[in-house]
Amino acid sequence: QVQLVQSGAEVKKPGASVKVSCKASGYTFTDHYMHWVRQAPGQGLEWMGWINPDSGGTQYAEKFQGRVTLTRDTSITTASMELSRLRSDDTAVFFCTRGSRLAAAGKSAFDIWGQGTMVTVSS
Amino acid sequence: EIVLTQSPGTLSLSPGERAILSCRASQSVTSSYLAWYQQKPGQAPRLLIYGASSRATGIPDRFSGSGSGTDFTLTISRLEPEDFALYYCHQFSSSRTFGQGTKVEIK
Repeated sequence: QVQLVQSGAEVKKPGASVKVSCKASGYTFTDHYMHWVRQAPGQGLEWMGWINPDSGGTQYAEKFQGRVTLTRDTSITTASMELSRLRSDDTAVFFCTRGSRLAAAGKSAFDIWGQGTMVTVSS
Repeated sequence: EIVLTQSPGTLSLSPGERAILSCRASQSVTSSYLAWYQQKPGQAPRLLIYGASSRATGIPDRFSGSGSGTDFTLTISRLEPEDFALYYCHQFSSSRTFGQGTKVEIK
């Protein structure tokens, strides 16, 4: 079945970086954009950016520009999100989620989600 | 950035009742690019509605979406126990933003 499986919880100190991975299975990895969404404790959903798994091209939300890097490894059908210069208010659950087909004329909603990865930033 | 405002913040209803959730956009959203998600505690969001009114695969027909322009609605015709959860609207007409959510709780 189509699924996204993310790496486990992380605890980091302020100023450090964290890298979260997302392994895709059950579909052609390079056919769909992969997006990342953040959810702080008790808060709503916040879009961070997307990666084109085929070309490696990326687009980031303005809020995260300069601190987030999205990458992919097509050989292991895995997308990754690295967030640098962590602050305490980066404590959140991070989700990867599947977006539009690359070949589609328009955009689509996020139909498949990873289980989420909790990142705690604390000194 | 398009801001989505959901109302009410919390909806207290009994099983079997109808739930009507609102999502208002700060500027016009192409209907094709408006979706609704359900989220339960400790879980990832689940896609319910895309294109403002189309149900995602496996979503029961008690869930329906409507609206256009700046006003969109998610209706749950008869609440089942498993429907008590958080609901988010999402636009991807211009960049991507989510509403702040509506909690549907048991009265």
